[in-house]
Amino acid sequence: DTQMTQSPPAMSASVGDRVTITCRADQGIGNYLVWFQQKPGNVPKRLIYGASNLESGVPSRFSGSGSGTEFTLTITSLEPEDSATYYCLQHSSFPSFGQGTRLHI
Amino acid sequence: QVQLVQSGAEVRKPGASVKVSCKTSGYRFSSSEINWVRQAAGQGLEWMGWMNPVSGASGSAQKFQVRVTMTRDMSISTAYLELSNLRSDDSAIYYCARGDGFDSWGQGTLVTVSS
Repeated sequence: DTQMTQSPPAMSASVGDRVTITCRADQGIGNYLVWFQQKPGNVPKRLIYGASNLESGVPSRFSGSGSGTEFTLTITSLEPEDSATYYCLQHSSFPSFGQGTRLHI
Repeated sequence: QVQLVQSGAEVRKPGASVKVSCKTSGYRFSSSEINWVRQAAGQGLEWMGWMNPVSGASGSAQKFQVRVTMTRDMSISTAYLELSNLRSDDSAIYYCARGDGFDSWGQGTLVTVSS
């Protein structure tokens, strides 16, 4: 099974900042990588699929990059509503999630 | 629009089983696999398994293989997850999600396991 290591586990940032969250796979997964945002009490919301494709309706300040084993989610110009937990998911083999990154604005 | 609507909250005693349904609409049920994910309170997301609606073939994470059964009823575009021999640490919100890209999710079903 493919293990995903996500970092950092938690972070604080300010409105207008740029933040980066990283996911590393212990084996190559091509671009089979999805990023989700989850707010307390809510269902996970897909932000990015195919490692770098922005989901329709998601603000352009969100972007994803990477392939193979290392991936990043970047949020530029943070807004207060970006406060949430972010998860990566690989679906190259049996799916697996990263541990999550709690972002506090 | 694509919708996945799950059954309501359940309470079970340890050792019992629970069956959660995921009724889909807005797309061809046969066109996308269904995944099951759970989330314990305050914890991360955990993938449990997937099912192909056409063939009924399924696969699950190793930790669930003995206890999980995934089925479907094509006539009502509904997928089911059954988890047996429940333990207290199975208390969680259980989600269904569409496709290998997890693009649409059900609203979640809270399962509480308590004596």
